[in-house]
Parts: sequence; structure tokens; C-alpha cells
Amino acid sequence: DTGVSQDPRHKITKRGQNVTFRCDPISEHNRLYWYRQTLGQGPEFLTYFQNEAQLEKSRLLSNRFSAERPKGSFSTLEIQRTEQGDSAMYLCASSPGFWAAGNTIYFGEGSWLTVV
Amino acid sequence: DAKTTQPNSMESNEEEPVHLPCNHSTISGTDYIHWYRQLPSQGPEYVIHGLTSNVNNRMASLAIAEDRKSSTLILHRATLRDAAVYYCILVSGGSQGNLIFGKGTKLSVKP
Repeated sequence: DTGVSQDPRHKITKRGQNVTFRCDPISEHNRLYWYRQTLGQGPEFLTYFQNEAQLEKSRLLSNRFSAERPKGSFSTLEIQRTEQGDSAMYLCASSPGFWAAGNTIYFGEGSWLTVV
Repeated sequence: DAKTTQPNSMESNEEEPVHLPCNHSTISGTDYIHWYRQLPSQGPEYVIHGLTSNVNNRMASLAIAEDRKSSTLILHRATLRDAAVYYCILVSGGSQGNLIFGKGTKLSVKP
């Protein structure tokens, strides 16, 4: 399968612990996005990378969240000192090359986080 | 980005056509109309997109009103696997791919 891959698919953690999610985009896709989705809502944009550069962060991305894409390939999303409100599905997506409004974005299957 | 309005839910019978409406009265001239769908417990999946003309692909058809203030996603023969939440999203020429999802339309397909 050469789609967007996310790991782990499910994570249960205790409040206050740190968690990290990994995303492997489709090979050669320059752009990588992170979204968050809570139950009953559509996905919400968090941040995106063009190669290794993080170019935009949503105001939803509090200072407890940090995302990296060190070599312009895979990316990690770390949440420090998790809170119950962080429980959600974290979606990674990628798209090829130069962005245009007609481009397709390819999503992974998501990483479910439950904070207890 | 301009907003879209979709019904919260729709029902269809298997093997019948489904027409999913979307209103986007504040659409601008450079906004593309994209449709994504999300099956249960999966990430969103691209369905189709268009700018002005109607579009067809192997999954669906997109009918765009002449004034572009509304569009309709057409599934020609619904299957049980088409049960999903369908999102109609406007993507502006200036966006960088940060899609703005609404709540979408939850499509149920009855056998």
C-alpha cells in the first residue's frame, strides 16, 4: 500500500502524559498536513509543511503541540501534558508538488487518541 | 474561504441514484468545488472536484449550477459501501490546502 500511513492507529494515555504520532506521506509528496477530528465534527486543520518547512499553524495548535518534518519525508506530531480535551482522531494528509486549488489531498486513516 | 451548506443527513436505497446537494452562494470566481467522503473510522477520501463545468469520474458526477452558487454530487448507483459522510468544500486559489470541512451530509444506504 503506497497511501499515507499513520502510526499508531490507536493510543490510550493517561492525562498528563506525552504522546507522539508518526505520519509517512505518499512518496515524493512535498506537502504534509495535520488535521484533528472530534466525534461528530469535520476535520479541522492544524498545520502543514512544505518539505521540511512548517509554513502555517492553526490557532488550534496550542503550545503543547509540536510538529516536525525533519528530512522532508515523515512527520511527527507530539502532544505534551495531554488533557482530556485532546481526545480526538489525528489525521495526516499529503499532496504533491506545487499547491493549486485543483489538487487532491490524500488522507491517512488517522490516529485515535483517548486521554483518560 | 467561502462557506457551504449541506443537509445533515440523507437516505438512499441500494442501487438507486443519489443526489447530494451543496449550497455555496458566496463562492468566488477562483474557488474550486471539492467533494470528499469519510467512511466510518477512516480518513477522508477524495471524490471529485470541479470549477465551472460538470465533471464525471469513476466514482461520481458533479453537476455545477450555471451561477455556481450550488452544486450536486451524483452517485449513479448507491451501494452499501457508499454509506459515509460527504463533505462539500470550497478551495480558493489562494489557499494552501488547509481544507475547511463543515459537518457534511451523512448518507445512509438501505439494502
